[in-house]
Amino acid sequence: DAKTTQPTSMDCAEGRAANLPCNHSTISGNEYVYWYRQIHSQGPQYIIHGLKNNETNEMASLIITEDRKSSTLILPHATLRDTAVYYCIVSFLGGTSYGKLTFGQGTILTVHP
Amino acid sequence: DGGITQSPKYLFRKEGQNVTLSCEQNLNHDAMYWYRQDPGQGLRLIYYSQIVNDFQKGDIAEGYSVSREKKESFPLTVTSAQKNPTAFYLCASTQELRDYGYTFGSGTRLTVV
Repeated sequence: DAKTTQPTSMDCAEGRAANLPCNHSTISGNEYVYWYRQIHSQGPQYIIHGLKNNETNEMASLIITEDRKSSTLILPHATLRDTAVYYCIVSFLGGTSYGKLTFGQGTILTVHP
Repeated sequence: DGGITQSPKYLFRKEGQNVTLSCEQNLNHDAMYWYRQDPGQGLRLIYYSQIVNDFQKGDIAEGYSVSREKKESFPLTVTSAQKNPTAFYLCASTQELRDYGYTFGSGTRLTVV
């Protein structure tokens, strides 16, 4: 699986957009980009994933660069409850669509009033 | 509501004892996973199973064992051979990783004294 690089920590003001970057320069053509977040002492929560195109759901938007070597997770209006560790993961699904995900250390996002 | 249930939430055991962590899902997911998380670290894959009666070792399988006799259940046994078993253990499942992410349980915090 391709390795990802994320900043260790970021701050964001409540109500503003939080833009979390992720570099995955060795990503291959059939690897997906996944984002999860983990609030302290809870299980990680799935946010969004994509292959090539930008994606949006009720939680966030995912912007993947044209060369797919980096991506940005956007939380459009951050709230205090968005304070968490955010993990960017790339994964090759192989012969099945189940695959497995490798979680790095992630980015600690702190949203402040 | 569908989801993954891990029990118990907190578990204390004496050194040298085997202990089994429960993971049950009612999402009808084929694939299930066990991860370990140490303080300030990302998640590391212990074992995973893509189908009943079949499972594969992850990155840190030594000292652990699993079974998958039923689709809904994927218990993890932490044996006395695991040298540093105190950790936060997370169970996850997915049906189609390409279309959905993982669904995680709320975790079991194991402390060996």
